[in-house]
Amino acid sequence: NAGVTQTPKFRILKIGQSMTLQCTQDMNHNYMYWYRQDPGMGLKLIYYSVGAGITDKGEVPNGYNVSRSTTEDFPLRLELAAPSQTSVYFCASRLVLTSGGHDEQYFGPGTRLTVT
Amino acid sequence: DAKTTQPNSMESNEEEPVHLPCNHSTISGTDYIHWYRQLPSQGPEYVIHGLTSNVNNRMASLAIAEDRKSSTLILHRATLRDAAVYYCILVGSGNTPLVFGKGTRLSVIA
Repeated sequence: NAGVTQTPKFRILKIGQSMTLQCTQDMNHNYMYWYRQDPGMGLKLIYYSVGAGITDKGEVPNGYNVSRSTTEDFPLRLELAAPSQTSVYFCASRLVLTSGGHDEQYFGPGTRLTVT
Repeated sequence: DAKTTQPNSMESNEEEPVHLPCNHSTISGTDYIHWYRQLPSQGPEYVIHGLTSNVNNRMASLAIAEDRKSSTLILHRATLRDAAVYYCILVGSGNTPLVFGKGTRLSVIA
């Protein structure tokens, strides 16, 4: 298994540009997440999805959009990039069982985004 | 969400045991205690989790206080590769998103 993969690894955007950060997992996990991490800080949840066709906001959703058309893919869209969105973005996935059992969450390697 | 408190940083010598503390005095009866770590320039990775009993796996041990208001992650022999930020996270149910604090930055000295 490749696990969670993210593209691109690095990107520089100009203010006002848009882009999509790609995330794919091959573990058939139902839950997927997008986090951002600013320097020296912990990760903050942007959006998450509990399955194909279902998404929900996290702590810091403003300025971002997501979609989940398949189990494997969970792209994150920035429509009008702003300097405040300069950060490292991590995608993650987890298998959540209806029995309520706890399982580990797998993270991708991250996308480092700079908006100037 | 119940919060956790961890020291900002700790230091250890290589090949010595490391005890990373976490306080969670407002933990509820159904909260699991999860630990993740983040190596430099990488995404976080799972370390261990538990509910009430102490837990062991190939990476670490988790010691949970009897009243569950604190826990300790134990690395039995620290290596240079264990230098990372360690996050203690309370998870209320299997479908609760992980909420990360600032964690503890562990430095390992050769």
